[in-house]
Amino acid sequence: QVQLQESGPGLVKPSQTLSLTCTVSGGSISSGGYYWSWVRQHPGKGLEWIGYIYYSGSTYYNPSLKSRVSISVDTSKNQFSLNLSSVTAADTAVYYCARASSASGKAEYWGQGTLVTVSS
Amino acid sequence: QSALTQPASVSGSPGQSITISCTGTSSDVGGYNYVSWYRQHPGKAPKLMIYDVSNRPSGVSNRFSGSKSGNTASLTISGLQAEDEADYYCCSYTSNNTVVFGGGTKLTVL
Repeated sequence: QVQLQESGPGLVKPSQTLSLTCTVSGGSISSGGYYWSWVRQHPGKGLEWIGYIYYSGSTYYNPSLKSRVSISVDTSKNQFSLNLSSVTAADTAVYYCARASSASGKAEYWGQGTLVTVSS
Repeated sequence: QSALTQPASVSGSPGQSITISCTGTSSDVGGYNYVSWYRQHPGKAPKLMIYDVSNRPSGVSNRFSGSKSGNTASLTISGLQAEDEADYYCCSYTSNNTVVFGGGTKLTVL
Protein backbone atom coordinates (compact mmCIF):
# COMPACT_ATOMS: atom_id res chain seq x y z
CA GLN A 1 0.00 0.00 0.00
CA VAL A 2 1.43 3.34 -1.07
CA GLN A 3 1.70 5.94 1.67
CA LEU A 4 2.76 9.55 1.52
CA GLN A 5 3.85 11.77 4.39
CA GLU A 6 4.50 15.50 4.29
CA SER A 7 7.16 17.07 6.49
CA GLY A 8 8.60 20.53 6.99
CA PRO A 9 8.35 23.68 9.08
CA GLY A 10 4.91 24.61 10.31
CA LEU A 11 5.83 28.27 10.53
CA VAL A 12 7.55 30.36 7.87
CA LYS A 13 8.33 34.08 7.96
CA PRO A 14 7.03 36.41 5.25
CA SER A 15 9.33 36.79 2.22
CA GLN A 16 11.10 33.52 3.01
CA THR A 17 10.88 30.23 1.13
CA LEU A 18 8.45 27.52 2.17
CA SER A 19 10.02 24.09 1.80
CA LEU A 20 8.17 20.82 2.23
CA THR A 21 9.13 17.22 1.59
CA CYS A 22 6.90 14.27 0.81
CA THR A 23 8.25 10.83 1.70
CA VAL A 24 6.81 7.95 -0.27
CA SER A 25 6.63 4.43 1.14
CA GLY A 26 5.22 1.23 -0.31
CA GLY A 27 6.45 2.03 -3.80
CA SER A 28 9.38 3.50 -5.68
CA ILE A 29 9.14 7.08 -6.80
CA SER A 30 11.24 6.21 -9.83
CA SER A 31 9.15 3.27 -10.92
CA GLY A 32 7.59 5.40 -13.60
CA GLY A 33 4.20 6.49 -14.83
CA TYR A 34 3.20 8.69 -11.94
CA TYR A 35 2.76 12.40 -11.38
CA TRP A 36 3.94 13.46 -7.94
CA SER A 37 1.73 16.33 -6.95
CA TRP A 38 1.25 19.15 -4.49
CA VAL A 39 -2.15 20.58 -3.60
CA ARG A 40 -2.99 23.17 -0.97
CA GLN A 41 -6.09 24.27 0.88
CA HIS A 42 -6.41 27.67 2.49
CA PRO A 43 -8.20 27.61 5.85
CA GLY A 44 -11.90 27.00 5.29
CA LYS A 45 -11.48 27.17 1.52
CA GLY A 46 -11.28 24.85 -1.46
CA LEU A 47 -8.47 22.86 -3.00
CA GLU A 48 -5.84 24.51 -5.16
CA TRP A 49 -3.55 22.53 -7.43
CA ILE A 50 0.05 23.71 -7.11
CA GLY A 51 1.84 21.48 -9.57
CA TYR A 52 3.39 18.09 -10.23
CA ILE A 53 6.55 16.45 -11.38
CA TYR A 54 6.55 13.48 -13.69
CA TYR A 55 8.94 10.67 -12.87
CA SER A 56 11.02 11.74 -15.88
CA GLY A 57 11.58 15.12 -14.24
CA SER A 58 9.16 17.20 -16.28
CA THR A 59 7.32 19.74 -14.17
CA TYR A 60 3.97 21.45 -14.54
CA TYR A 61 2.86 24.33 -12.36
CA ASN A 62 -0.26 26.34 -11.63
CA PRO A 63 0.16 29.48 -13.77
CA SER A 64 -0.75 31.70 -10.83
CA LEU A 65 2.14 30.29 -8.77
CA LYS A 66 4.59 29.41 -11.51
CA SER A 67 7.02 32.26 -10.84
CA ARG A 68 7.47 31.16 -7.21
CA VAL A 69 7.15 27.37 -7.30
CA SER A 70 9.66 24.60 -7.76
CA ILE A 71 9.03 20.85 -7.41
CA SER A 72 11.88 18.36 -7.41
CA VAL A 73 12.48 14.65 -6.83
CA ASP A 74 15.15 12.85 -4.82
CA THR A 75 14.98 9.24 -5.98
CA SER A 76 17.72 8.16 -3.56
CA LYS A 77 15.48 9.10 -0.64
CA ASN A 78 12.19 8.25 -2.35
CA GLN A 79 11.04 11.81 -1.75
CA PHE A 80 9.79 14.77 -3.67
CA SER A 81 9.81 18.36 -2.53
CA LEU A 82 8.03 21.68 -2.86
CA ASN A 83 9.68 25.08 -2.67
CA LEU A 84 7.52 28.20 -2.68
CA SER A 85 9.46 31.45 -2.55
CA SER A 86 8.58 34.95 -1.35
CA VAL A 87 5.70 33.74 0.78
CA THR A 88 3.04 35.99 2.29
CA ALA A 89 0.17 35.38 4.67
CA ALA A 90 -1.87 34.36 1.63
CA ASP A 91 0.27 31.21 1.41
CA THR A 92 -0.94 30.00 4.79
CA ALA A 93 -2.64 26.70 4.03
CA VAL A 94 -2.70 22.96 4.52
CA TYR A 95 -0.33 21.46 1.99
CA TYR A 96 -0.98 17.97 0.63
CA CYS A 97 1.24 15.76 -1.43
CA ALA A 98 -0.36 13.16 -3.68
CA ARG A 99 0.37 10.57 -6.30
CA ALA A 100 -1.54 10.82 -9.55
CA SER A 101 -1.52 8.04 -12.10
CA SER A 102 -2.11 10.44 -14.95
CA ALA A 103 -1.79 14.11 -15.78
CA SER A 104 -5.55 14.36 -15.60
CA GLY A 105 -5.70 14.98 -11.87
CA LYS A 106 -6.53 11.39 -10.97
CA ALA A 107 -4.83 11.21 -7.57
CA GLU A 108 -5.44 7.98 -5.74
CA TYR A 109 -3.02 8.42 -2.87
CA TRP A 110 -2.69 11.43 -0.61
CA GLY A 111 -0.69 12.44 2.41
CA GLN A 112 -2.51 13.56 5.52
CA GLY A 113 -1.61 17.19 4.90
CA THR A 114 0.49 19.64 6.87
CA LEU A 115 -0.47 23.13 7.99
CA VAL A 116 1.99 25.84 7.11
CA THR A 117 1.47 29.26 8.63
CA VAL A 118 3.19 32.32 7.24
CA SER A 119 3.73 34.83 10.02
CA SER A 120 6.46 36.92 11.55
CA GLN B 1 -6.75 29.63 -14.83
CA SER B 2 -10.13 30.08 -13.20
CA ALA B 3 -11.61 27.58 -10.77
CA LEU B 4 -14.39 25.40 -12.08
CA THR B 5 -17.87 26.46 -10.94
CA GLN B 6 -19.73 24.30 -8.45
CA PRO B 7 -22.79 25.09 -6.31
CA ALA B 8 -21.77 26.10 -2.81
CA SER B 9 -24.13 23.63 -1.20
CA VAL B 10 -26.61 20.87 -1.90
CA SER B 11 -28.71 18.80 0.44
CA GLY B 12 -30.83 15.69 0.44
CA SER B 13 -32.52 13.22 2.72
CA PRO B 14 -31.27 9.70 3.35
CA GLY B 15 -32.15 7.41 0.47
CA GLN B 16 -32.57 10.23 -2.01
CA SER B 17 -30.34 11.09 -4.95
CA ILE B 18 -28.47 14.34 -5.46
CA THR B 19 -26.44 15.75 -8.31
CA ILE B 20 -23.55 18.20 -8.10
CA SER B 21 -22.62 20.15 -11.21
CA CYS B 22 -19.20 21.36 -12.26
CA THR B 23 -18.98 23.92 -15.05
CA GLY B 24 -15.83 24.84 -16.90
CA THR B 25 -14.88 25.77 -20.43
CA SER B 26 -13.87 24.12 -23.66
CA SER B 27 -10.27 24.44 -22.45
CA ASP B 28 -10.84 22.12 -19.52
CA VAL B 29 -14.05 20.19 -18.76
CA GLY B 30 -15.43 20.41 -22.27
CA GLY B 31 -12.19 19.65 -24.04
CA TYR B 32 -11.16 16.42 -22.33
CA ASN B 33 -12.69 13.37 -20.69
CA TYR B 34 -10.45 13.99 -17.71
CA VAL B 35 -12.76 15.06 -14.92
CA SER B 36 -12.28 13.68 -11.43
CA TRP B 37 -14.35 14.04 -8.28
CA TYR B 38 -13.08 14.03 -4.70
CA ARG B 39 -14.84 13.72 -1.36
CA GLN B 40 -13.34 15.40 1.68
CA HIS B 41 -14.48 14.97 5.24
CA PRO B 42 -13.51 17.69 7.74
CA GLY B 43 -9.87 17.53 8.70
CA LYS B 44 -9.15 14.69 6.28
CA ALA B 45 -7.36 14.37 2.97
CA PRO B 46 -9.45 14.26 -0.20
CA LYS B 47 -10.50 10.85 -1.51
CA LEU B 48 -10.85 10.05 -5.20
CA MET B 49 -14.42 9.00 -5.99
CA ILE B 50 -14.63 9.30 -9.79
CA TYR B 51 -11.99 9.67 -12.50
CA ASP B 52 -12.03 10.19 -16.25
CA VAL B 53 -15.62 11.51 -16.03
CA SER B 54 -17.39 8.31 -15.07
CA ASN B 55 -14.97 5.68 -13.76
CA ARG B 56 -14.97 4.53 -10.16
CA PRO B 57 -11.76 3.48 -8.40
CA SER B 58 -11.76 0.08 -6.80
CA GLY B 59 -13.63 0.15 -3.49
CA VAL B 60 -15.85 3.14 -4.24
CA SER B 61 -19.55 2.43 -3.97
CA ASN B 62 -21.58 2.18 -7.17
CA ARG B 63 -23.90 4.75 -5.60
CA PHE B 64 -21.47 7.29 -7.03
CA SER B 65 -21.61 8.03 -10.72
CA GLY B 66 -20.28 10.70 -13.03
CA SER B 67 -21.20 12.15 -16.39
CA LYS B 68 -20.44 15.07 -18.66
CA SER B 69 -22.29 17.15 -21.21
CA GLY B 70 -20.48 19.92 -23.00
CA ASN B 71 -18.60 22.07 -20.52
CA THR B 72 -20.47 20.71 -17.49
CA ALA B 73 -19.66 17.58 -15.54
CA SER B 74 -21.91 16.08 -12.90
CA LEU B 75 -21.56 13.82 -9.89
CA THR B 76 -24.64 11.88 -8.80
CA ILE B 77 -24.93 10.16 -5.46
CA SER B 78 -27.86 7.78 -5.13
CA GLY B 79 -29.24 6.22 -1.97
CA LEU B 80 -27.85 9.06 0.11
CA GLN B 81 -26.28 8.02 3.41
CA ALA B 82 -25.17 9.98 6.45
CA GLU B 83 -21.52 9.18 5.66
CA ASP B 84 -21.88 11.00 2.34
CA GLU B 85 -22.06 14.32 4.16
CA ALA B 86 -18.82 16.03 3.15
CA ASP B 87 -17.30 18.53 0.76
CA TYR B 88 -17.05 17.48 -2.88
CA TYR B 89 -14.61 18.86 -5.42
CA CYS B 90 -14.42 18.39 -9.15
CA CYS B 91 -11.12 18.57 -10.94
CA SER B 92 -10.20 18.78 -14.62
CA TYR B 93 -7.19 18.57 -16.85
CA THR B 94 -6.65 21.75 -18.87
CA SER B 95 -5.22 22.72 -22.24
CA ASN B 96 -2.17 24.17 -20.45
CA ASN B 97 -1.19 20.68 -19.24
CA THR B 98 -2.28 21.73 -15.78
CA VAL B 99 -5.07 20.78 -13.41
CA VAL B 100 -7.83 22.97 -12.01
CA PHE B 101 -10.23 22.29 -9.14
CA GLY B 102 -13.77 23.45 -8.60
CA GLY B 103 -14.63 25.68 -5.67
CA GLY B 104 -16.21 22.80 -3.77
CA THR B 105 -19.76 21.84 -2.78
CA LYS B 106 -20.88 21.13 0.75
CA LEU B 107 -23.29 18.20 0.84
CA THR B 108 -25.66 18.09 3.79
CA VAL B 109 -27.62 14.94 4.53
CA LEU B 110 -30.81 16.09 6.22
